[in-house]
Amino acid sequence: QSVLTQPPSASGTPGQRVTISCSGSSSNIGSNDVYWYQQLPGTAPKLLIYRNNQRPSGVPDRFSGSKSGTSASLAISGLRSEDEAGYFCAAWDGSLSAVLFGGGTKLTVL
Amino acid sequence: QVQLVESGGGLVKPGGSLRLSCAASGFTFSDYFMTWIRQAPGKGLEWISYISSSSRTIYYADSVKGRFTVSRDNAKNSLFLQMDSLRVEDTAVYYCARDRSGARGDFDFWGQGTLVTVSS
Repeated sequence: QSVLTQPPSASGTPGQRVTISCSGSSSNIGSNDVYWYQQLPGTAPKLLIYRNNQRPSGVPDRFSGSKSGTSASLAISGLRSEDEAGYFCAAWDGSLSAVLFGGGTKLTVL
Repeated sequence: QVQLVESGGGLVKPGGSLRLSCAASGFTFSDYFMTWIRQAPGKGLEWISYISSSSRTIYYADSVKGRFTVSRDNAKNSLFLQMDSLRVEDTAVYYCARDRSGARGDFDFWGQGTLVTVSS
């Protein structure tokens, strides 16, 4: 099954704002909600954003999500060293009857 | 608190079989879709299977269809993944997760994962 398209890497300095994109198609992002996951090194993924732009309790408001058409974005403002992690987008694909994940973006805080 | 604990991983030869389990606690297991997701070493996440709360609806990724079978026992709060005809490319950490929105990708709780290594 195909994946959603994310840049493999992103970087920023402390305090900066970075965005990570996720591109799909009409059968997944275009017609279903997008979810974002954060994976710290050596740990299981954690839900970061649900239903395109909602934050679970405990997730700082520095993290925000958006969706437009067949693309979505995750923005992290006020970058901190502890944000260094892998970030994955996900969406249900109605044509494939499958959840698709993006390939993941490794965020480096310089 | 919600807990998901996987077990059953290990080393298996190509063509062999393995059965993974996921023990759930801290929530009404029978109310939720459950899923298996895997991550090959150094790679991204790959969704592989969903099972609905009643087991009536099941989905598989093409990569495992016909080889893997998902099941659940709501009386024992347990999720299972029977993996047959294993291939080297099935080597990964396998996570179970809860989807609180049905089959949508809304995985709000994950287990810690169990490593499956397929090698001769």
